[in-house]
Amino acid sequence: EAQVTQNPRYLITVTGKKLTVTCSQNMNHEYMSWYRQDPGLGLRQIYYSMNVEVTDKGDVPEGYKVSRKEKRNFPLILESPSPNQTSLYFCASSLSTGYGYTFGSGTRLTVV
Amino acid sequence: AQKITQTQPGMFVQEKEAVTLDCTYDTSDQSYGLFWYKQPSSGEMIFLIYQGSYDEQNATEGRYSLNFQKARKSANLVISASQLGDSAMYFCAMREGVDAGGTSYGKLTFGQGTILTVHP
Repeated sequence: EAQVTQNPRYLITVTGKKLTVTCSQNMNHEYMSWYRQDPGLGLRQIYYSMNVEVTDKGDVPEGYKVSRKEKRNFPLILESPSPNQTSLYFCASSLSTGYGYTFGSGTRLTVV
Repeated sequence: AQKITQTQPGMFVQEKEAVTLDCTYDTSDQSYGLFWYKQPSSGEMIFLIYQGSYDEQNATEGRYSLNFQKARKSANLVISASQLGDSAMYFCAMREGVDAGGTSYGKLTFGQGTILTVHP
């Protein structure tokens, strides 16, 4: 089944403890992206990648890192999480053509 | 300036009636794509419909249609014959920098969303 898999679905962590949210797609998509969703703000892009080893900042990249060493994987790293990074996070992937992204199921992160 | 504006935080509609969700956008690109996504209470993002800036016909997908008015920079979603299962958050989004062949730069910008409630 074609899908984007994110893990974990739910995560509660403490301020400053490094964490990684994994994202994997099995559709051979070139583009992958991370979004965060906050009430009243919609989804905002954190980082995106147009292919292996090609990444760029989105609208809200501060406090996040990404890497794209393989086409299928695009992990999101929070080196030192803070409470303002409490949010719902989505990974998404897409072909290079102008069609919509396929989204993962989301990761609800709480930083206390 | 907001790139995607959804002015209706919430909308209500009676079952079986049609409803229009508003979306206006702002871009200087000649080539772009417009999307609508549905997010039910379970949280997943479901792709509904796509309209390319060069498409002359309005996009349709089953009960969903996109009322594309390029000069007014609006891309309203019309849901016909509403069902209880249509109750959800709806997001309008835009992908800029799409060339004539369809290749794009990848960034998808979302509006704030509209919560649709369908009453029986």
